[in-house]
Amino acid sequence: GAGVSQSPRYKVTKRGQDVTLRCDPISSHATLYWYQQALGQGPEFLTYFNYEAQPDKSGLPSDRFSAERPEGSISTLTIQRTEQRDSAMYRCASSQGQGSYEQYFGPGTRLTVT
Amino acid sequence: AQTVTQSQPEMSVQEAETVTLSCTYDTSENNYYLFWYKQPPSRQMILVIRQEAYKQQNATENRFSVNFQKAAKSFSLKISDSQLGDTAMYFCAFSPFYTDKLIFGTGTRLQVFP
Repeated sequence: GAGVSQSPRYKVTKRGQDVTLRCDPISSHATLYWYQQALGQGPEFLTYFNYEAQPDKSGLPSDRFSAERPEGSISTLTIQRTEQRDSAMYRCASSQGQGSYEQYFGPGTRLTVT
Repeated sequence: AQTVTQSQPEMSVQEAETVTLSCTYDTSENNYYLFWYKQPPSRQMILVIRQEAYKQQNATENRFSVNFQKAAKSFSLKISDSQLGDTAMYFCAFSPFYTDKLIFGTGTRLQVFP
């Protein structure tokens, strides 16, 4: 596609519910990243994929968070049993590959847990 | 731990003037990349400029330039001839050479006044 897209753009959920966020990267891009951005803060790394492999998931805050990219293109980030502290902007980015390539960010999904 | 510090939460500048945003970082790595990202009110994340640590020459991109001081671990962004469209949150980011994750600072909110 022309750019990185994410859906939904906004999600409001009740505490304890599961949510799944979707990222559609630029079609030629091998590498995909997930970041969490709290209000007034910079994005924080969660995990990344190189095609379908997930070399680093060190930033996932707890085992309630998981991500997958089964066919090396679209990725989903799932948060189970959501808590209020999970409220944030979740950003996806993609790049041509590992290394110094520019990361192109999507518009983000604003998650609010009530 | 690798950290990025932006000590100026807010800055303002008059249109056509020059402004410098500060960034310092902490790392024991010798090879890495540094970035400045812009987040306008639309909340997109847009790459402004990047610097490879092994390059002594400061990067420039039209009205944007950096002052990279490796020994001091400092990476400031200079915006010349400021324009109203430069109004945004600016994030400094660091990426070690061996990994793809970006480590962001907390951002500096820049307001350009007419």
